[in-house]
Amino acid sequence: EAGVAQSPRYKIIEKRQSVAFWCNPISGHATLYWYQQILGQGPKLLIQFQNNGVVDDSQLPKDRFSAERLKGVDSTLKIQPAKLEDSAVYLCASSFNFATFSMQETQYFGPGTRLLVL
Amino acid sequence: DAKTTQPNSMESNEEEPVHLPCNHSTISGTDYIHWYRQLPSQGPEYVIHGLTSNVNNRMASLAIAEDRKSSTLILHRATLRDAAVYYCILRDSGAGSYQLTFGKGTKLSVIP
Repeated sequence: EAGVAQSPRYKIIEKRQSVAFWCNPISGHATLYWYQQILGQGPKLLIQFQNNGVVDDSQLPKDRFSAERLKGVDSTLKIQPAKLEDSAVYLCASSFNFATFSMQETQYFGPGTRLLVL
Repeated sequence: DAKTTQPNSMESNEEEPVHLPCNHSTISGTDYIHWYRQLPSQGPEYVIHGLTSNVNNRMASLAIAEDRKSSTLILHRATLRDAAVYYCILRDSGAGSYQLTFGKGTKLSVIP
């Protein structure tokens, strides 16, 4: 079974530029998550989708970050404009079904995109 | 939100058992205890989870205290590949989204 795919793996941009990250979850997984992981810290949830609807985006800095999952499969996370403090690893994860066994659901993570903002 | 406390780092010799502790004194009756680990330059991966009873799988064992205020992840025989950051997480149902809220975890070093 293929895992969660993310691209690009690395990105270097200058502040105030825009950047986009792509995620393809495991086939059949209804729930998709984007996390931000700053060096030395654990991942922090940015946004959670159930199919193509947003379940939770309370920690997403909406003035500069946006995310979409138009057909309930792939997802894109965008930062516009980027700041120095956005330098981090952006992780995508998916799980099978949010609603039914939520507190036991396993999340499967991709390898992440490492972003450096100069 | 119920939180967990873990040591920042631990060391183990290769091929010896490792006991990784986690304190969660404010755990609620319906919180599941999950463990994930993150190998260098990779995303986190699921290790094990439990509610009240001890659990075993091919990767590890999870021992849960009777009062559920602490738990211990047990790696029966550490290998170099087990060097990672281990996260103890309580599945948060309060927000309705059953998030994984990661702390800083325990960095496990395995000495050859």
